[in-house]
Amino acid sequence: GQNIDQPTEMTATEGAIVQINCTYQTSGFNGLFWYQQHAGEAPTFLSYNVLDGLEEKGRFSSFLSRSKGYSYLLLKELQMKDSASYLCAFEDDYKLSFGAGTTVTVRA
Amino acid sequence: EPEVTQTPSHQVTQMGQEVILRCVPISNHLYFYWYRQILGQKVEFLVSFYNNEISEKSEIFDDQFSVERPDGSNFTLKIRSTKLEDSAMYFCASRETGEKNIQYFGAGTRLSVL
Repeated sequence: GQNIDQPTEMTATEGAIVQINCTYQTSGFNGLFWYQQHAGEAPTFLSYNVLDGLEEKGRFSSFLSRSKGYSYLLLKELQMKDSASYLCAFEDDYKLSFGAGTTVTVRA
Repeated sequence: EPEVTQTPSHQVTQMGQEVILRCVPISNHLYFYWYRQILGQKVEFLVSFYNNEISEKSEIFDDQFSVERPDGSNFTLKIRSTKLEDSAMYFCASRETGEKNIQYFGAGTRLSVL
């Protein structure tokens, strides 16, 4: 079957680094996505990995290991506005399957 | 920057009534999607649409649901006879063809069924 696991909550201090892990199981795989979602708002695209390795995009980086069914999102130099839910999702047959999301709280 | 737009932002309806949720995808995108998110739960896939037909649908997308692209710009989701459990945030998304399969989401329609 298909499954995605990510931690429910994480807390970090402004300026720090946080790593959100995601493990997934799926028979079909076209890529791994990370979205940011503020409460009551739409998911906003952050990053996309289709090959193994690290993708860096400003303060955000994402890593993928397809053989391990594992990804992480790294948020550096945390800012208060980064307080949000971070959704891990894989694509299979052009549709996204989302995890339940990790709520990150950034404290001053 | 182009964006997916959805109307209305909030729809309140009585159980058993029909509702139509509207979306205008990004203009050069060819793949369209509806997802829903029940309060406090994860985002769930409902249906994908390409080349004027449904390409895939989930178990949630039963006979009460339908989608349509009535003209060159709009993409609609109709729920024929709403139930209390249809109360959720409904997101439309669109994707361009090409190597990067990035789906861009609209701001959503909050559907409240009373």
